[in-house]
Amino acid sequence: QKEVEQDPGPLSVPEGAIVSLNCTYSNSAFQYFMWYRQYSRKGPELLMYTYSSGNKEDGRFTAQVDKSSKYISLFIRDSQPSDSATYLCASYAGGTSYGKLTFGQGTILTVHP
Amino acid sequence: GAGVSQTPSNKVTEKGKYVELRCDPISGHTALYWYRQSLGQGPEFLIYFQGTGAADDSGLPNDRFFAVRPEGSVSTLKIQRTERGDSAVYLCASSSPSGSGELFFGEGSRLTVL
Repeated sequence: QKEVEQDPGPLSVPEGAIVSLNCTYSNSAFQYFMWYRQYSRKGPELLMYTYSSGNKEDGRFTAQVDKSSKYISLFIRDSQPSDSATYLCASYAGGTSYGKLTFGQGTILTVHP
Repeated sequence: GAGVSQTPSNKVTEKGKYVELRCDPISGHTALYWYRQSLGQGPEFLIYFQGTGAADDSGLPNDRFFAVRPEGSVSTLKIQRTERGDSAVYLCASSSPSGSGELFFGEGSRLTVL
């Protein structure tokens, strides 16, 4: 079993829809949680970064972490065709493991006009 | 340039050959990371440099893989006796010493072993 599991999709939604992307993790030491967006043939770019449990909002994006259930979510409101990409959740424990991220498999999202 | 630069962007080689992949991090970033991304998978950690030294090389799959960063800036990932299973995109990332937590990734080097 991988330490971070993510439904690969693919997920296809109409423009304007609310998108929900989810991951589960098994390592209780994970304290930091991230969502990266990766366009085709590009490197991942950081979207959201959260520490421990709770919600964080940035524009149309909301990240949620529930450490009790080891569940990570990303919500995208008013989705746009430019949001079409692969979304990767990632975690690490912190301290000396800074930057040593464990990624999920990635969910391929397509937003059609 | 402003971002992490990786060369070559594409490399096709034959099984058994030696390959070098280069990463030029963002200026001033002391931490440098190599990840490997296989088709349809998320990136997997290979090695982390803080300055010139490898702080964590626990992700290197075997002794055919080696990485250096002799002057604390540019890094080279070296793969000996390549195998077909080494085919993947090799991603390099760097981060700032101010510790915002963000890794800045390059576009990757796509390696194909025939």
